[in-house]
Order: sequence, then C-alpha cells, then structure tokens
Amino acid sequence: GESVGLHLPTLSVQEGDNSIINCAYSNSASDYFIWYKQESGKGPQFIIDIRSNMDKRQGQRVTVLLNKTVKHLSLQIAATQPGDSAVYFCADLNQAGTALIFGKGTTLSVSS
Amino acid sequence: NAGVTQTPKFQVLKTGQSMTLQCAQDMNHEYMSWYRQDPGMGLRLIHYSVGAGITDQGEVPNGYNVSRSTTEDFPLRLLSAAPSQTSVYFCASSQNSVPNSNQPQHFGDGTRLSIL
Repeated sequence: GESVGLHLPTLSVQEGDNSIINCAYSNSASDYFIWYKQESGKGPQFIIDIRSNMDKRQGQRVTVLLNKTVKHLSLQIAATQPGDSAVYFCADLNQAGTALIFGKGTTLSVSS
Repeated sequence: NAGVTQTPKFQVLKTGQSMTLQCAQDMNHEYMSWYRQDPGMGLRLIHYSVGAGITDQGEVPNGYNVSRSTTEDFPLRLLSAAPSQTSVYFCASSQNSVPNSNQPQHFGDGTRLSIL
C-alpha cells in the first residue's frame, strides 16, 4: 500500500553541523516527492521537491537525495541554524495522483 | 498577503455538537484540501476538491462533510463531534493537485479543536 515514513522521530544537532533527515516509502510507482517544514504553531511549508527521474536536487542550503532502488529519500541541511528547528515531513502522491500522502515527521532540534 | 486563512484558530466542543471550520484562499487556486494532524500520525487527508462544485474523499473522511460552492472557500463540517475528532486541522490550497516549487501547496495555520 501507500505509506511514507521517516526513520527517526527526533534529531538533535549543534548549530553549524549538517543535518540529514531520512524517509522511506513503500510505493515503488511513486514518481514525485516533497519535503515540508513545519514550525511550531504553523502549517507545513514547502521546502523542495524531486521527481523520480532525478537522483539529487539542490536548493538553498538543502539537498534532497532519492534512491529508487531502496525506496529511500533524504533531506540534507547544510550549516544547520537554530531557525531550522522544526518538524520535517516527506510526502508523495497517492496512486491516483490526486492527493499527497505525508510521513509521520522528524523533529529537528538545533542547539547553539 | 493573506494566502490561506482558517477560522477559528481554537475551538472547544462538547460531544454531539456540530460546527464548521472555515477555510478561504485568495490565490485563485483550484485545488483545496483538508488534513488532520494528530501526535505521531503526521497529516492525514480528510477531503479534497479539484475545483468549485467538485469534492472527493481522502484517507479519513468519516464524520466530516465538505462543500465547494466557490473557488475561494472550502468549509469543513463536523456533523456530530466525537472525542476522536480532537485534532489540529489544516486547510491547504494549490493551483493543482501536484504542487511543485513554482506552484507550491500553501497551508493555513490550523484550527486546534478539542472535543470533550
């Protein structure tokens, strides 16, 4: 069935470190993935997306890697800052392509 | 820059009461959706709409109704509230069902609902 999950519910890093947040998916037909950031008391915010015809996509301080062989994607945040503290979700499309399916989220805590 | 506006921000109901959670967007987006977020569960899709006059069920539709009479508004109705519906509810909109970096999905700030 369709499910998108994250390996770890929490991740704690020091300011300036690089952060890696992982996500596994079960639907081998999934062809589009999104990472969202959710700050406390706010709705999720689009960070970066990747299509299945790509292995890597870079944004500003963020990189998403997709490994279709093992159905795994990761979000890498370079030089993590306290403002990066939030819950991060991966999401992919359902089989009908009509809705996003979200994983359970990883809480990133950045200490100074 | 209003984006997606949800009202109310907080609400406490008694079991059996009904209420409507409001959602409005000013971006002329065709696609709107409602999610609920529970601890450890991520976001789960309740209902969605691909345009005015069209709605469909998501992953957890039971106990909820929606309508889409205008492009801007997508209210969510709880007909008879139950404690299991205690949650944070998010409304979202995008130009189509497949958001991307040029046309991302926008979320409201949520409605925190408690059913006693």
